[in-house]
Amino acid sequence: KAGVTQTPRYLIKTRGQQVTLSCSPISGHRSVSWYQQTPGQGLQFLFEYFSETQRNKGNFPGRFSGRQFSNSRSEMNVSTLELGDSALYLCASSSGVPNTGELFFGEGSRLTVL
Amino acid sequence: EDQVTQSPEALRLQEGESSSLNCSYTVSGLRGLFWYRQDPGKGPEFLFTLYSAGEEKEKERLKATLTKKESFLHITAPKPEDSATYLCAVQGYTGNQFYFGTGTSLTVIP
Repeated sequence: KAGVTQTPRYLIKTRGQQVTLSCSPISGHRSVSWYQQTPGQGLQFLFEYFSETQRNKGNFPGRFSGRQFSNSRSEMNVSTLELGDSALYLCASSSGVPNTGELFFGEGSRLTVL
Repeated sequence: EDQVTQSPEALRLQEGESSSLNCSYTVSGLRGLFWYRQDPGKGPEFLFTLYSAGEEKEKERLKATLTKKESFLHITAPKPEDSATYLCAVQGYTGNQFYFGTGTSLTVIP
């Protein structure tokens, strides 16, 4: 059974640019969550999508957005990048019904903002 | 507000030297407490779920326990391959999101 796939794995952007990250969940999983991981803050919850609807949202500015497609694949977008957005962005999938039990994480997309 | 605090931040052990990692939590109704292991450059990997105080789970050299306010991850006779960051997370009944601690970085020296 294939795991969670995130692309791209590494990317470098400059301030003011925007970026789109992609996540393909485990087959059959309908919930996809996104997390930002930085050395000082640990894993911070961005948002969760279930069946194409945003079900939960963390405390991040509106520059961070996401969406989920009918095949459960998800994308997140960060507009007007700032230096502080440099982080590892992790996607996690779960069955989501209800959303209990473990999360299955991808290997992350490491974003560097210069 | 739901919150998770892990201690210590970093721990160095000699191979075979047993120890415990702590996870203190505050949550409005605990749906579950989760332990994950994260290796450098990788996403977290699930280890255990605990649902109620008094519950214990074991896997190889790891044993997780849960009380009403904290969880412990006991590592018995660790090996160098146990070196990793161990993350604790809680999920409450309000919303579905998970709250993660900042982790304990464990180094086991041969």
